[in-house]
Amino acid sequence: TQLLEQSPQFLSIQEGENLTVYCNSSSVFSSLQWYRQEPGEGPVLLVTVVTGGEVKKLKRLTFQFGDARKDSSLHITAAQPGDTGLYLCAGGAISNFGNEKLTFGTGTRLTIIP
Amino acid sequence: ETGVTQSPTHLIKTRGQQVTLRCSSQSGHNTVSWYQQALGQGPQFIFQYYREEENGRGNFPPRFSGLQFPNYSSELNVNALELDDSALYLCASSSTGLNNEQFFGPGTRLTVL
Repeated sequence: TQLLEQSPQFLSIQEGENLTVYCNSSSVFSSLQWYRQEPGEGPVLLVTVVTGGEVKKLKRLTFQFGDARKDSSLHITAAQPGDTGLYLCAGGAISNFGNEKLTFGTGTRLTIIP
Repeated sequence: ETGVTQSPTHLIKTRGQQVTLRCSSQSGHNTVSWYQQALGQGPQFIFQYYREEENGRGNFPPRFSGLQFPNYSSELNVNALELDDSALYLCASSSTGLNNEQFFGPGTRLTVL
């Protein structure tokens, strides 16, 4: 069974500070996706990384996939109240016909205090 | 481009009843995956449908079943509901050959009393 552990589980910081969320596993994944979820809504895809060592930037968010494709990190620079939400990482495993099933982490609930 | 839609948005059932949840996939997508998200947890994979066949299943009992239709929409059926089935049920659509990125619907909140 593939497991993904996220840390920290909860994070509350002041507006303008930087933060990093970690996603770790002992399993190798074909891809790693990061989502943000608001209460009562479905997760919204932020980014997909597929190559070991890959780094992607989305405005103030920087995502990195570990060299061995077992772990990932999300770094937010100068956090803003709009960044508040539940951040989920999800590892992809190729199933039949080239589709993927996702294994989700436990999530990091981020609160940015104005 | 139409996103993933799910119905109903909320549902209340009693223990032992049966429920059907529906999902319309995003335009151009041929694969639908279903997830269960309990309060305070990450989504758990239930199963995936591709070409109207089940294509992978998570650790869920047989009373969780599904269908995919020729237009790629899908249903999730749960029989003999239990209290622990109370959760947000999420549908995600994707397409082979498009990095397998999955796009989620808003979910159906199921409460079992």
